[in-house]
Amino acid sequence: DVKVTQSSRYLVKRTGEKVFLECVQDMDHENMFWYRQDPGLGLRLIYFSYDVKMKEKGDIPEGYSVSREKKERFSLILESASTNQTSMYLCASSGGGWISYEQYFGPGTRLTVT
Amino acid sequence: AQSVTQLDSQVPVFEEAPVELRCNYSSSVSVYLFWYVQYPNQGLQLLLKYLSGSTLVKGINGFEAEFNKSQTSFHLRKPSVHISDTAEYFCAVIGSQGNLIFGKGTKLSVKP
Repeated sequence: DVKVTQSSRYLVKRTGEKVFLECVQDMDHENMFWYRQDPGLGLRLIYFSYDVKMKEKGDIPEGYSVSREKKERFSLILESASTNQTSMYLCASSGGGWISYEQYFGPGTRLTVT
Repeated sequence: AQSVTQLDSQVPVFEEAPVELRCNYSSSVSVYLFWYVQYPNQGLQLLLKYLSGSTLVKGINGFEAEFNKSQTSFHLRKPSVHISDTAEYFCAVIGSQGNLIFGKGTKLSVKP
């Protein structure tokens, strides 16, 4: 079974802190994604990556950056956390080239910024 | 541009009743469609997908969906629901960059 793990299930940070959310997949997938999930808004794509050291902006990249130094690991970075970044963050991975026919999701990290 | 509209934000239903969760899409590229389910406090799990071929797609847990090109719809159905089907369901379409574009979700609440 594909496994996507996220470093924390729950995280509480203060405004202005630098926050790292880590995601690791064990299926040698090329593609990795970070989404943000908010009630009534569904999932919105923040950043994605097709390969090591490659990154592409999604729909809402402002206030975020990413790092992919190894194929299995994709990190989401909040340079200076703000209260409007309180949300559920979901990581996903997929193989099969640029078309993500099936994405596998991690359990999510619920981030609260106070 | 691609987009997904889930017509109902909440669907309450009694146990053993049939259910339909509605999804309409807009796409300017090849149409690949998905339904995901999210149980409370969990990540998303793929229920079923349409890539090509038969327009009636069967998925896990007794769910099925029908791709209707003329109506640009991909509604999810189950003939008899269980309490354990209580969850949030997301319809998604492939975007032009190979990513998934999700609808806003439908919360299915199954009552005894």
